[in-house]
Amino acid sequence: SSGLTQPPSVSVAPGKTARITCGGDNIGRKRVHWYQQKAGQAPVLVIYHDSDRPSGIPERFSGSNSGNTATLSISRVEAGDEAHFYCQVWDSSVAHPGVIFGGGTQLTVL
Amino acid sequence: EVQLVESGGGLVQPGRSLRLSCEVSGFNFDDYAMNWVRQAPGKGLEWVSGISWNSGSVGYADSVKGRFTLSRDSATNSLYLQMNSLRPEDTAFYYCARQPLRATDYYFDSWGQGALVTVSS
Repeated sequence: SSGLTQPPSVSVAPGKTARITCGGDNIGRKRVHWYQQKAGQAPVLVIYHDSDRPSGIPERFSGSNSGNTATLSISRVEAGDEAHFYCQVWDSSVAHPGVIFGGGTQLTVL
Repeated sequence: EVQLVESGGGLVQPGRSLRLSCEVSGFNFDDYAMNWVRQAPGKGLEWVSGISWNSGSVGYADSVKGRFTLSRDSATNSLYLQMNSLRPEDTAFYYCARQPLRATDYYFDSWGQGALVTVSS
């Protein structure tokens, strides 16, 4: 299966670490990218190539990818981090061009 | 400052056509591959179509293949999505999205604010 599985929701208290997973068959062999989408806004790239941060994204955002699970971690969570998060891969083995998004995870800051 | 501004959205009846535009500024449009990603209200993201920097390669999602046509114009720094035979399931926010320069895979480092397309009778 080429689908990506994300938990529908994750809740975390302010100041703690949030971890959002993205599951897929051998996803560790693909490059995973993560987007943050706040309510009423366009998505923003927060992690690319598993663990790289674009310019302007805080160091609190980090990523890892191994086996069948990629993980986006957000340390010292703030109220302003509340958003939907989407993982995405390019699966070159799928019919052109194989851009696949996960279903999204709503991050709630308690 | 990188800017991508979509226009052309609106309400259209099933079976009719609509053309979306995305005008860019703040970067050299001719150097970048460009894409459209859509999002039905309250739902997740779905890649729609992408075009290489020189228009040599154009791809479509199966859900729109044969109905949508993607093109670009360097004279106007614009990306166009011609949408024909529209269906109610095409109702969504359509985002223009840029692939990073010399990216070796598909991901999107800049997005527009989106244009809403509503297909309904």
